[in-house]
Amino acid sequence: NAGVTQTPKFRILKIGQSMTLQCTQDMNHNYMYWYRQDPGMGLKLIYYSVGAGITDKGEVPNGYNVSRSTTEDFPLRLELAAPSQTSVYFCASSYNRGYTDTQYFGPGTRLTVL
Amino acid sequence: GESVGLHLPTLSVQEGDNSIINCAYSNSASDYFIWYKQESGKGPQFIIDIRSNMDKRQGQRVTVLLNKTVKHLSLQIAATQPGDSAVYFCAEIRDATNKLIFGTGTLLAVQP
Repeated sequence: NAGVTQTPKFRILKIGQSMTLQCTQDMNHNYMYWYRQDPGMGLKLIYYSVGAGITDKGEVPNGYNVSRSTTEDFPLRLELAAPSQTSVYFCASSYNRGYTDTQYFGPGTRLTVL
Repeated sequence: GESVGLHLPTLSVQEGDNSIINCAYSNSASDYFIWYKQESGKGPQFIIDIRSNMDKRQGQRVTVLLNKTVKHLSLQIAATQPGDSAVYFCAEIRDATNKLIFGTGTLLAVQP
């Protein structure tokens, strides 16, 4: 199993550009999550999904959109990139609810908005 | 507001010594806590967890202690090794939300 994979690893965007961060897991996990991590800080939840077709907002959803058309994929969309969105983005998945099952994290996508 | 935070941003220890990383939380309703290790350039890695109905839980070379009276969590690493060098985060989950709330992180630097 590859686990949780994310693409791209790095990206530089100009203000106002859009992009999609890809996340795929091959563990047949129901739950998937998107976090952002600012320098020297912990992770903050952007969006999460409890299964295909179901998504919900986390702590910091503004400026982002998600979709979950399959169990495996959970892309994160930035429509109008802003400097405040410069961060490292982590995708994670778990088979069940977080408090009964471990969340497995991907390697991250480092995004810079100039 | 409610938060989870760490007392010490950086901890430097000698190889072979025991390490103790501390974490304070403010929400008494939190019922599940997790310690994650994050190496440079990588995603967080689960280390150990503890439910609020427990005071102590042990893993391989790691022990987590929970003091609900003072809302304090600690991670003890025995015989610290260079491979333990990383940033350690505590995180909490409040039952029914399934959302991880992360603390700021402590950098553990192991000196050879």
